[in-house]
Amino acid sequence: AQTVTQSQPEMSVQEAETVTLSCTYDTSESDYYLFWYKQPPSRQMILVIRQEAYKQQNATENRFSVNFQKAAKSFSLKISDSQLGDAAMYFCAYRTPNFGNEKLTFGTGTRLTIIP
Amino acid sequence: EAGVTQFPSHSVIEKGQTVTLRCDPISGHDNLYWYRRVMGKEIKFLLHFVKESKQDESGMPNNRFLAERTGGTYSTLKVQPAELEDSGVYFCASSHGGELFFGEGSRLTVL
Repeated sequence: AQTVTQSQPEMSVQEAETVTLSCTYDTSESDYYLFWYKQPPSRQMILVIRQEAYKQQNATENRFSVNFQKAAKSFSLKISDSQLGDAAMYFCAYRTPNFGNEKLTFGTGTRLTIIP
Repeated sequence: EAGVTQFPSHSVIEKGQTVTLRCDPISGHDNLYWYRRVMGKEIKFLLHFVKESKQDESGMPNNRFLAERTGGTYSTLKVQPAELEDSGVYFCASSHGGELFFGEGSRLTVL
């Protein structure tokens, strides 16, 4: 069975600085998707960034980028120029590429605090 | 376009009582998922509907949990009778064969 591990329950960063959230996973599959989701307080969980395992290039979305190390089964999220609105719970997630089945396996989450 | 909506946002009940959570997916989304997060733990998959059919209910913890999706539209998740360990946040998500869209979650507290 696949597992996702987030070893940092809480992180904090000064506004405008850079922070990296860690995620490792375990799978015997060669093709899969990895995700970072963000849930602000009392708000919906939204997709931050997505990585396809067969793509070597690290995904980037504006200030958010990932460091995907397939051999090490590591998928960290880097947030550059942190903003107050980035404060949230961040969940790392995994799924297999089966069309019509978006069942996700999540980690325990990292609570990110932005210090003004 | 309305997103995934869940009701109630927070429910407090006593052990042994019944609670029904509702999820309204995005219109046209055939896939509907229920997940649960117990405090401090990972978000765990409960089940997956495709339209009105249960595609995968391997994550349902026990027979005290009953999920339905009438006519392939909204879905309900009933917990009867509720136990202390059922406390947590229940998330619903929907998709049309691509990205998952989540609701804000329903927080259940069982006293």
